[in-house]
Amino acid sequence: QVQLVESGGGVVQPGRSLRLSCAASGFIFSSHAIHWVRQAPGKGLEWVAVISYDGTYKHYGDSVKGRFTISRDNSKNTLYLEMNDLRVEDTAVYYCARGSRLWWTFDSWGQGTLVPVSS
Amino acid sequence: QSALTQPPSASGSPGQSATISCTGTSSDVGGYNYVSWYQQHPGKAPKLVIYEVNMRPSGVSDRFSGSKSGNTASLTVSGLQAEDEADYYCGSFAGNNNFLFGGGTKLTVL
Repeated sequence: QVQLVESGGGVVQPGRSLRLSCAASGFIFSSHAIHWVRQAPGKGLEWVAVISYDGTYKHYGDSVKGRFTISRDNSKNTLYLEMNDLRVEDTAVYYCARGSRLWWTFDSWGQGTLVPVSS
Repeated sequence: QSALTQPPSASGSPGQSATISCTGTSSDVGGYNYVSWYQQHPGKAPKLVIYEVNMRPSGVSDRFSGSKSGNTASLTVSGLQAEDEADYYCGSFAGNNNFLFGGGTKLTVL
C-alpha cells in the first residue's frame, strides 16, 4: 500500500535552517508529482510546494518562495524540503502528499512532522 | 490570493444529510474542475474524499458526494454516521501553478 513517512522535524530557532525528508514506498515514486502541505497548530491546511515526477518543475506558495527548496531523489524514493531563514509563522506540521495523475489532487498523505520555530 | 471560504461549522443528526460549501472566485473554484475535499480527524493526516469536483476515490463511501455551481463547490455527506464527525477542507487549483485550501469546516454529528 502507498506509504509516505516524513522525518526531520524538531525545534529550530528563527533564522536557522532545517531539512525535512519524506520516504515513499508502495508505488512507483518516479511517476508522481509530490507536494508539501503544512498545518499550523489549530489552523487550516496551506499548500507549500510541488515537484514534478522527474524534478524538472518546482513551484512554491507565496509565503515560502525564495526561502524553501523542494527536491527529490528518485533513486532513493525520497522527497526533501530545505527550509531556510525560518520564521515563527513557519511553525506547523509538514505533510508530504502524493499528487494524482493531474498533479493537483493529493491522494495519499504522510503522518506529518512537526516543526516548531521558536527562540 | 486568499483562502477559499468555508463555514466554520456544520451539523446534522445521524441518518440525515449535511452540506458544506466552499466559495472561491472565477480564478480558482469557478475556473477549473480541480476541486477536491479532504477529511481530517483530530490528530490525524487529511484523507481525500472527493476529487475533480465530484469523483470519489476507491474505498470512500458513496455517502460522500461533490458538486459545483459557478464559484461555489459543495460537499454533501448523506446518511450521517458518528465516524463522519471531523474537519473537512476544500481545495482548488488556482492557476499559475498555485493551490488554495479553504479554512476548514468542523462537521458535528448531533
